[in-house]
Amino acid sequence: GQNIDQPTEMTATEGAIVQINCTYQTSGFNGLFWYQQHAGEAPTFLSYNVLDGLEEKGRFSSFLSRSKGYSYLLLKELQMKDSASYLCAVKDSNYQLIWGAGTKLIIKP
Amino acid sequence: EAQVTQNPRYLITVTGKKLTVTCSQNMNHEYMSWYRQDPGLGLRQIYYSMNVEVTDKGDVPEGYKVSRKEKRNFPLILESPSPNQTSLYFCATATGTSSSGANVLTFGAGSRLTVL
Repeated sequence: GQNIDQPTEMTATEGAIVQINCTYQTSGFNGLFWYQQHAGEAPTFLSYNVLDGLEEKGRFSSFLSRSKGYSYLLLKELQMKDSASYLCAVKDSNYQLIWGAGTKLIIKP
Repeated sequence: EAQVTQNPRYLITVTGKKLTVTCSQNMNHEYMSWYRQDPGLGLRQIYYSMNVEVTDKGDVPEGYKVSRKEKRNFPLILESPSPNQTSLYFCATATGTSSSGANVLTFGAGSRLTVL
């Protein structure tokens, strides 16, 4: 079966750096997405990786290793507003999105 | 302003009473989809549509119907709601084709449905 694993919850300190991991086992690979979702709100797009390597976008970066079935989202200079759930999704060989259950990130002062 | 509009945002209903959740987008996107989100389970796709008059089942289609008669609208119909359909529902749209799937998703604000 197809599977995406993310930690359920993580805690970090304001101003610090946190890395949220995502491992996947899917039938084929056509790209990986990261979305941010604040409590009670809709998910919003953060990043997209289809080739190996690091994509940097301001305080957020996303890394992909297709050979390892692994991605991470790196958040730097954490702010309280970064408290949210972070969703990893993989587009499989049929171009369907497979979603992880999400990682709830708690930021403490 | 690019928008995906869902209605109603909140609804409490009773078992068996038919209801429709509407979704409308003004971005001229080909792809539209419905998801439900339950604690610990993440987003699960109910139905999706790659274009007008083209709809396909997602992972959890049982108990739901959809239609795509116009590009901008993609209503979700619960013919006979049951308590296990209590959930948070999201409509999402994207550019995309049948040979590439959906690109970046834009989500509606969500509809919280409670079935008693």
